[in-house]
Amino acid sequence: KQEVTQIPAALSVPEGENLVLNCSFTDSAIYNLQWFRQDPGKGLTSLLLIQSSQREQTSGRLNASLDKSSGRSTLYIAASQPGDSATYLCAVVNYGGSQGNLIFGKGTKLSVKP
Amino acid sequence: GAVVSQHPSRVICKSGTSVKIECRSLDFQATTMFWYRQFPKQSLMLMATSNEGSKATYEQGVEKDKFLINHASLTLSTLTVTSAHPEDSSFYICSALGQGWMGTQYFGPGTRLTVL
Repeated sequence: KQEVTQIPAALSVPEGENLVLNCSFTDSAIYNLQWFRQDPGKGLTSLLLIQSSQREQTSGRLNASLDKSSGRSTLYIAASQPGDSATYLCAVVNYGGSQGNLIFGKGTKLSVKP
Repeated sequence: GAVVSQHPSRVICKSGTSVKIECRSLDFQATTMFWYRQFPKQSLMLMATSNEGSKATYEQGVEKDKFLINHASLTLSTLTVTSAHPEDSSFYICSALGQGWMGTQYFGPGTRLTVL
């Protein structure tokens, strides 16, 4: 059974710092991995999607890497800003999973202090 | 970008009543929609997969007679929580699959259900 773990559970940094969020998954047979942002009491915003054949994706100050064989992904946020404060969720779609079923980690709650 | 809406955003109801939540894809057609539930400080858990024109597929442990799902069109899926109880209080989020089943899921803003 696929399990997704995110470390740390919470992170507080001063504005301007570069930071890394970690995600690990137990079954490497995945189709893709996705990083989401969730603001309090809100839905999810997709940040980056990495297909299983890809090693990384970049969007602005965000860079996500994928090492499928080791079951790891990292989300790198450069020059963090207070507006980046949110919970970041990692999710995978299993190979053979039912129609794109996303399996989520519990998230990392990020707080960027001015 | 693709937009998914949910209505209502927040609902409070009495124990024993039924509540309907709507999920709409506003600018694209979604043959597949998903319903998730999120308890405080927990990850999103898939409840069911909804396919247009057919019966929903429920995850293990989710009562299909309690959580009724209807996907009558390519842009609308509804979740009805029947005979709601306080333990059903949660954050319910839907998503719609765009461009094939390996594509990105677009999420709605969620519905906060509180059962008194």
